[in-house]
Amino acid sequence: QVQLVQSGAEVKKPGASVKVSCKASGYTFTSYGISWVRQAPGQGLEWMGWISAYNGNTNYAQKLQGRVTMTTDTSTSTAYMELRSLRSDDTAVYYCARYNFGPGWFDPWGQGTLVTVSS
Amino acid sequence: DIQMTQSPSSLSASVGDRVTITCRASQSISSYLNWYQQKPGKAPKLLIYTASSLQSGVPSRFSGSGSGTDFTLTINSLQPEDFATYYCQQSYSTPRTFGQGTKVEIK
Repeated sequence: QVQLVQSGAEVKKPGASVKVSCKASGYTFTSYGISWVRQAPGQGLEWMGWISAYNGNTNYAQKLQGRVTMTTDTSTSTAYMELRSLRSDDTAVYYCARYNFGPGWFDPWGQGTLVTVSS
Repeated sequence: DIQMTQSPSSLSASVGDRVTITCRASQSISSYLNWYQQKPGKAPKLLIYTASSLQSGVPSRFSGSGSGTDFTLTINSLQPEDFATYYCQQSYSTPRTFGQGTKVEIK
């Protein structure tokens, strides 16, 4: 079955960087994109951007431009999201999701990775 | 950016009730509207895509309708496992945006 498995929880200090991985299985990795969505504690869903696993093209949310980088490793069917210059308001659960470019849906989602930014 | 507004923000309902959640876009998004269900501590799950198409494996009591700016998610005969938070999401333009969520609670 299609599955996305993310790396474990992280605790970082303000100003540091975090890199979250998302390993895909059960489908042809390069036929879809991977999108990243985050959810602050008790809050709604915030789209961060996507990457095409086919050609590496990316599209990032404007508010994260310059701080976020999304990459893929097609040899291992793994996507990565790196967020730099972390602030306390970056504390959130970070989800990866398979992205279908046509209709634009996210399915399925990874289990989520909690990133806590605290001094 | 396209703003997505859901109503109500929360509702209380009983098992067997019919529940309707509304999502309004700040501009026309044709049928590029998806619905997700999220249970506490879990990742969201796709229910409906392109406004009215039922995702494989999702029970038929879930249905979606609408186009342009106004959309509806309907749950017929609410079941205990349906108590969750529901989000709409537009896929018409970037940035992709979500509604603020509608929490369906047990009455």
